Amino acid sequence: EAQVTQNPRYLITVTGKKLTVTCSQNMNHEYMSWYRQDPGLGLRQIYYSMNVEVTDKGDVPEGYKVSRKEKRNFPLILESPSPNQTSLYFCASSDGQFNTGELFFGEGSRLTVL
Amino acid sequence: GDSVTQMEGPVTLSEEAFLTINCTYTATGYPSLFWYVQYPGEGLQLLLKATKADDKGSNKGFEATYRKETTSFHLEKGSVQVSDSAVYFCALRTNTNAGKSTFGDGTTLTVKP
Repeated sequence: EAQVTQNPRYLITVTGKKLTVTCSQNMNHEYMSWYRQDPGLGLRQIYYSMNVEVTDKGDVPEGYKVSRKEKRNFPLILESPSPNQTSLYFCASSDGQFNTGELFFGEGSRLTVL
Repeated sequence: GDSVTQMEGPVTLSEEAFLTINCTYTATGYPSLFWYVQYPGEGLQLLLKATKADDKGSNKGFEATYRKETTSFHLEKGSVQVSDSAVYFCALRTNTNAGKSTFGDGTTLTVKP
């Protein structure tokens, strides 16, 4: 089954404790991206990757890091989480038809930073 | 930069009512336009899309037409069901910066029996 898998789905952590949210897709997509969803603000793009070893900032990259060492994986790293990073995070991937291709989303990771 | 403006919600309708959710956009390049739906507790999934002017996307009774002259992509359905209750997002991706995707704020639809 074609899917985007995120882990963990739920996480409660404390300020400053490094964490990684993993994302993996099994559709051989070149493009992957991370978003955060906050009430009243829709989805905002954090980082994206057009291909292996190629990453770029989205609209809200501050406080986040990413890496793309393999085509299928695109982890999101919070080096020193803060309460304003409490949010619902989505990973997505898309095939090579970049601006016309649909995004396939994971089920989301709800992060709470105390 | 690019932006998407959606009709503010929430929207509450009775079953079998007509639905319109407005979406307008600004884009620096030539956009492809999308509607995504998010059911409670789930990720977003594509509802329909249109990649050039005057194209009509359709799926599950929903329709939207890409109107370049009015920079709009309004979502419509003739007769909504309780199962259509969800959050709907309008989104775009352009040919000038295909890595960026821009979403509206989302419109929450509740359909009552």
